[in-house]
Amino acid sequence: AQSVTQLDSHVSVSEGTPVLLRCNYSSSYSPSLFWYVQHPNKGLQLLLKYTSAATLVKGINGFEAEFKKSETSFHLTKPSAHMSDAAEYFCVVSGSMKTSYDKVIFGPGTSLSVIP
Amino acid sequence: GAVVSQHPSWVICKSGTSVKIECRSLDFQATTMFWYRQFPKQSLMLMATSNEGSKATYEQGVEKDKFLINHASLTLSTLTVTSAHPEDSSFYICSARAPSGGMNTEAFFGQGTRLTVV
Repeated sequence: AQSVTQLDSHVSVSEGTPVLLRCNYSSSYSPSLFWYVQHPNKGLQLLLKYTSAATLVKGINGFEAEFKKSETSFHLTKPSAHMSDAAEYFCVVSGSMKTSYDKVIFGPGTSLSVIP
Repeated sequence: GAVVSQHPSWVICKSGTSVKIECRSLDFQATTMFWYRQFPKQSLMLMATSNEGSKATYEQGVEKDKFLINHASLTLSTLTVTSAHPEDSSFYICSARAPSGGMNTEAFFGQGTRLTVV
């Protein structure tokens, strides 16, 4: 079975400081990994995705994530937080069932607060 | 990127009635669609996987007779909440995956449907 763990339910940073949102996954096969952001009462927006190409993935709005197979991690980072980054972030895994109907599983989410 | 349209975006219904939510892939064909439920300040919980032309696969604990899923075409899946009760009030989100890449194909998400049962 596949699963996703986001170690921090809430992260608070000051504006202009780095952001680190942690994600660990469990998978039987090489997974695809994604980070999505959800602003209050809004839908989901894809930040970036890893699909077995480069291990360092750059996404939108200055976010990036590094896939580390040895650590089964896919942590999300940003060098400098902006007020507009305050939102809920979800780490997502898929593709590990190696069937046509593999599932897309969400982590529990990390709420990011940015302090002025 | 590909577009998934979900309708309605919000709905209020009376307890005991049924509500249908539509999920359409507008510019690609989706052999697989997923339905999620999200409670306030919680993550998205996968309810079921909808496969075109076959029965949906439900996750453990999800009542298939209450949450009817139909995936009659490659661009449309529907979720019907039957005999809705206030505890069914939630945010429902669908996603669709194009058939081209298999495991590594990105899933595209609808904007969600806010269901309130009164």
